Amino acid sequence: DTEVTQTPKHLVMGMTNKKSLKCEQHMGHRAMYWYKQKAKKPPELMFVYSYEKLSINESVPSRFSPECPNSSLLNLHLHALQPEDSALYLCASSQERAYNSPLHFGNGTRLTVT
Amino acid sequence: DQQVKQNSPSLSVQEGRISILNCDYTNSMFDYFLWYKKYPAEGPTFLISISSIKDKNEDGRFTVFLNKSAKHLSLHIVPSQPGDSAVYFCAAIAGRGNEKLTFGTGTRLTIIP
Repeated sequence: DTEVTQTPKHLVMGMTNKKSLKCEQHMGHRAMYWYKQKAKKPPELMFVYSYEKLSINESVPSRFSPECPNSSLLNLHLHALQPEDSALYLCASSQERAYNSPLHFGNGTRLTVT
Repeated sequence: DQQVKQNSPSLSVQEGRISILNCDYTNSMFDYFLWYKKYPAEGPTFLISISSIKDKNEDGRFTVFLNKSAKHLSLHIVPSQPGDSAVYFCAAIAGRGNEKLTFGTGTRLTIIP
């Protein structure tokens, strides 16, 4: 069982839809992350929240909008996505910063944009 | 620009033997390294890490070796078990203030019973 819970597990959306991915952890971790993973590629960092504040945005297009309502929750709001945005979206958390504090990953949301 | 590379996309090892997974990096600022294991339809799971002040770290069947001069690290699994079949990613981070973990390209390990 993973301690980082992501919902939904699968999502199919059209290019005009608005949807949200949700992530929850109850380990008291202070850093939360969104990663994107395409098939046969490594996970790529999108966003980092540290103590509920956005600390890293890896030049992600504005059609992806992160939100951290509190220290246990992390959302990724999706709007006007493109088919090439289809990927596995992974949420992770760590006790403190990623250095010396391994990331715990959820099982991901498999997103398909049609 | 792939700063962390795993040049073997796949590796097959007999059960009970040693599995050796290799990883090379180009960024000399990387000073903390981790190995993650990923099963299909699951997120990566942390296995073992090593700081650049060390050249070896052991945890049970898993040992990570770091050669800073060669910018190379390896993960040894001994003895290999069928449950070790998964994709293994090495990852690196540069500096205590950095929060960006850079992943390698991954190696699919298959343990043959």
